[in-house]
Amino acid sequence: EVQLVESGGGLVQPGGSLRLSCAAYGFTFSDYWMHWVRQAPGKGLVWVSRINSDGRSTDYADSVKGRFTISRDNAKNTLYLQMSSLRAEDTGIYYCTRSRSGGQDYWGQGTQVTVSS
Amino acid sequence: QSALTQPASVSGSPGQSVTVSCTGTSSDVGYYNFVSWYQQHPGKAPKLMIYDVNNRPSGLSDRFSGSKSGNTASLTISGLQADDEADYYCSSYTRSSTYVFGTGTKVTVL
Repeated sequence: EVQLVESGGGLVQPGGSLRLSCAAYGFTFSDYWMHWVRQAPGKGLVWVSRINSDGRSTDYADSVKGRFTISRDNAKNTLYLQMSSLRAEDTGIYYCTRSRSGGQDYWGQGTQVTVSS
Repeated sequence: QSALTQPASVSGSPGQSVTVSCTGTSSDVGYYNFVSWYQQHPGKAPKLMIYDVNNRPSGLSDRFSGSKSGNTASLTISGLQADDEADYYCSSYTRSSTYVFGTGTKVTVL
């Protein structure tokens, strides 16, 4: 069974940093592109970033470019999101997702990130 | 990148069909056949319903179907059921090598 389990969320002050992790189970992690998607409280989904299967190619939303870094460790079946210079508007649930063609077929349960002083 | 435009809400009675529209531009919905749809129940993670405009994941009910014309994609739910009541989001790949989600539509079963 495919499972994605996020961790690393929490409360951080504006300007601070946080690293999210996503452990993957039940599929050959190194075969798939992966994404991060976030959702602010009571708001819609927002795509954040994606990484190709070997980790050499990445893309970012303009709102996080230069502040967030996506990476992966295929030996550990784990996806990461390093977030720095955090702002209040980065607050929300962060989902790890698996890519399927033009969509995202499996989603984790999400991890909450709160940026507040 | 601006969000794709969806109606805030649509509703229908059990057994009826409803259609949710998703309007983008010639740089996203109109350029690629990489439109997907997601269902999200309150407090839950989103679930993929349609990918690549009109493909259903294995095991998903055929009551859900997708289509696209120009810069507008659509999700149709036929034979509406109580459990279909949820938020629905469209998404598209863009010419900037990014993805964009829609504004979201609340589907209500009357």
